[in-house]
Amino acid sequence: KAGVTQTPRYLIKTRGQQVTLSCSPISGHRSVSWYQQTPGQGLQFLFEYFSETQRNKGNFPGRFSGRQFSNSRSEMNVSTLELGDSALYLCASSTGPKAGAFFGQGTRLTVV
Amino acid sequence: QQQVKQSPQSLIVQKGGISIINCAYENTAFDYFPWYQQFPGKGPALLIAIRPDVSEKKEGRFTISFNKSAKQFSLHIMDSQPGDSATYFCAASSHNQGGKLIFGQGTELSVKP
Repeated sequence: KAGVTQTPRYLIKTRGQQVTLSCSPISGHRSVSWYQQTPGQGLQFLFEYFSETQRNKGNFPGRFSGRQFSNSRSEMNVSTLELGDSALYLCASSTGPKAGAFFGQGTRLTVV
Repeated sequence: QQQVKQSPQSLIVQKGGISIINCAYENTAFDYFPWYQQFPGKGPALLIAIRPDVSEKKEGRFTISFNKSAKQFSLHIMDSQPGDSATYFCAASSHNQGGKLIFGQGTELSVKP
């Protein structure tokens, strides 16, 4: 089975721009979660989607949004980028709670 | 109450030794406790997980010990190898929060040959 695939792997954007990141979950996994990883804050939960519905949301500003499609693929969008948004963005998929979440390699976003 | 506290921040162990990483939590609603291993440039990989109705779970050289009354759990890596050198994260979640994982701050493990 193919693992979680995230695209692109690396991205450089300018302050004020917006960005869209993509995640293809493991086949059969309907839950997709997004996390932000930084050296200072560690791994922080952004949001989770299950069957195209946002099931949970972390403490991030409204500039961070996401969606999930009928094939379980998910995208996250960050608008009006700030320097502090520079981070590794990770997507994880699972069949459900307590089933084990499997992460992709992440998208490294650099905001300049 | 949502925090998971992990220690130590870094750990150096000799090859063949035992690596021990500890985590503590406050939220008694947590009912799933996974450990992840992350190598540089890679995403976290699920290593082993435990539920609170079990006090210990072993998979190969990796063992989770769980103390429900103390709200603590730990990862033991037996016969540590240089290839185990990575960052380890504990995490916790509760069934009523879906797949949301609360992560510890991570432990950077270095196994010296």
